Amino acid sequence: GAVVSQHPSRVICKSGTSVKIECRSLDFQATTMFWYRQFPKQSLMLMATSNEGSKATYEQGVEKDKFLINHASLTLSTLTVTSAHPEDSSFYICSARRNHDTQYFGPGTRLTVL
Amino acid sequence: RKEVEQDPGPFNVPEGATVAFNCTYSNSASQSFFWYRQDCRKEPKLLMSVYSSGNEDGRFTAQLNRASQYISLLIRDSKLSDSATYLCVAGNTPLVFGKGTRLSVIA
Repeated sequence: GAVVSQHPSRVICKSGTSVKIECRSLDFQATTMFWYRQFPKQSLMLMATSNEGSKATYEQGVEKDKFLINHASLTLSTLTVTSAHPEDSSFYICSARRNHDTQYFGPGTRLTVL
Repeated sequence: RKEVEQDPGPFNVPEGATVAFNCTYSNSASQSFFWYRQDCRKEPKLLMSVYSSGNEDGRFTAQLNRASQYISLLIRDSKLSDSATYLCVAGNTPLVFGKGTRLSVIA
């Protein structure tokens, strides 16, 4: 299957700081990448759809100024959690669409905000 | 947002058992259907696509009923390593994930 990497895998930060998460498609070009968040024992919740070269599309209830997404190339999308707070602690997972609608997921980033 | 509903379980089955998971989706315009597997604290991994004609991959069989908007997954001869959460997925772009059905295979 296709390979998607995500970095860092785990981050602990203080409240008020910003955290950047990178998502890369390693063996294919992805015009569309997706960012999800998953709280314990909950389903994946789509946060935003990231399209290369254009602005991301955010889901209802997701603050675009707090979760900054940049998709500058066909293999890289970044999510920056700005002014993180403890309630932002979660498992953030990106995925990249390879063809049709098959999505391949990165290994996820576990964010803990103290 | 259109939903994908599935029984959260858990399903606790002995090794060698056959187990079936079902899910329903509400968006009749959905064109793509998948089953993903997610292990604890890991990312989801694609298990198989689901086609109207039904498809089989080893011990796993997936079925789609568009009229009833219903997707199923059958696992035969369950292994301990099958223990995981199985996510039903339907939609177009973006995909919509169910909350998952938890399976525990017991020795």
